[in-house]
Amino acid sequence: DQQVKQNSPSLSVQEGRISILNCDYTNSMFDYFLWYKKYPAEGPTFLISISSIKDKNEDGRFTVFLNKSAKHLSLHIVPSQPGDSAVYFCAVVYGGATNKLIFGTGTLLAVQP
Amino acid sequence: DAGVTQSPTHLIKTRGQQVTLRCSPKSGHDTVSWYQQALGQGPQFIFQYYEEEERQRGNFPDRFSGHQFPNYSSELNVNALWLGDSALYLCASSLIAGVQETQYFGPGTRLLVL
Repeated sequence: DQQVKQNSPSLSVQEGRISILNCDYTNSMFDYFLWYKKYPAEGPTFLISISSIKDKNEDGRFTVFLNKSAKHLSLHIVPSQPGDSAVYFCAVVYGGATNKLIFGTGTLLAVQP
Repeated sequence: DAGVTQSPTHLIKTRGQQVTLRCSPKSGHDTVSWYQQALGQGPQFIFQYYEEEERQRGNFPDRFSGHQFPNYSSELNVNALWLGDSALYLCASSLIAGVQETQYFGPGTRLLVL
């Protein structure tokens, strides 16, 4: 039973345009949400996070939005650059004592020059 | 400042064999977690070590075991390998294991079981 879902396996965007990656989760007990980026032959790299007490967090070109009532998370990248081409994973932390991560299946973003 | 390092980078084993993977955490970090990433899937949590103790465990059989050393480095051992264990094994470290402590990942060890 998939607790964190990324329903789009891939996304293609033109350079300079906005990339929107989506993530849905099932458990309202999740209280911390993260996005990681992964290039081939490398480990996931932390991008941005958001606590359940917020609905938006921004860091440069990256903004994460959280809609708790819909159990939906999105990552906006503006403007998109060819170097952003990678697999993006949504991850959540269960509201417990540790930072154990539960990952989605990932979305492959391709930014076309 | 060295990040998380893992060894070896690649490994080929046959069914029934045993394997040991190694991880050195980012400088200053004391908590190590291990994840398994199968092809086309997101990483899945195996277990987490803090103060040389297994703190939490995911849904993996007892064939998967680990250890954390006093210098915070860690090993993942898998016994009686089978084909389904072929995956990328990722180690992540953080400063303590608080809910909002970001985990930093190493490059992984790619294991192929034949």
